[in-house]
Amino acid sequence: SQTIHQWPATLVQPVGSPLSLECTVEGTSNPNLYWYRQAAGRGLQLLFYSVGIGQISSEVPQNLSASRPQDRQFILSSKKLLLSDSGFYLCAWGQGYEQYFGPGTRLTVT
Amino acid sequence: QKEVEQNSGPLSVPEGAIASLNCTYSDRGSQSFFWYRQYSGKSPELIMFIYSNGDKEDGRFTAQLNKASQYVSLLIRDSQPSDSATYLCAAKKKSSGDKLTFGTGTRLAVRP
Repeated sequence: SQTIHQWPATLVQPVGSPLSLECTVEGTSNPNLYWYRQAAGRGLQLLFYSVGIGQISSEVPQNLSASRPQDRQFILSSKKLLLSDSGFYLCAWGQGYEQYFGPGTRLTVT
Repeated sequence: QKEVEQNSGPLSVPEGAIASLNCTYSDRGSQSFFWYRQYSGKSPELIMFIYSNGDKEDGRFTAQLNKASQYVSLLIRDSQPSDSATYLCAAKKKSSGDKLTFGTGTRLAVRP
């Protein structure tokens, strides 16, 4: 069966610091991978998606970036965090109809 | 107009009742629809999806789709306190590949 991992689970970072969130998927090959952000009281916002290694599409212009160095690894990064980057970051994988979410990383920028 | 709209709630129902959660979408290019359940502080879990007009049943859950009215609903029969969560509706358009557009969710509270 497929499993999706994210780490860390929680993170508190000061404004201006860098960010690296990692997501890995097990039990499948060549999945579509997604990064979403859910801000407090708001809906899920798609940030990036990838259909293969090195193929990244950005949905929202911002100070975040994503990379997919391996088939089942997806990384979300920032060089300098803003207060507005606080939120619940969710990685998801999909093949065909469904998308399945990882456990998420709760990021607080102080 | 948001692409996928849901009433934020809370929708409060007594234990054992039928909970009816509704979702409307604006883009007629939307082809398939998904319901996720999200407990407070947790990530969304897929409940079911539907792409044909009519009803689709899975256990206590029934998804209903009316493409003419651009309306999707989720019925939860015999509601339990453990069903208390936020329910997210999402739509997928063929033109957007596998990307989902989410509504902001409806909070359901089931009273014991």
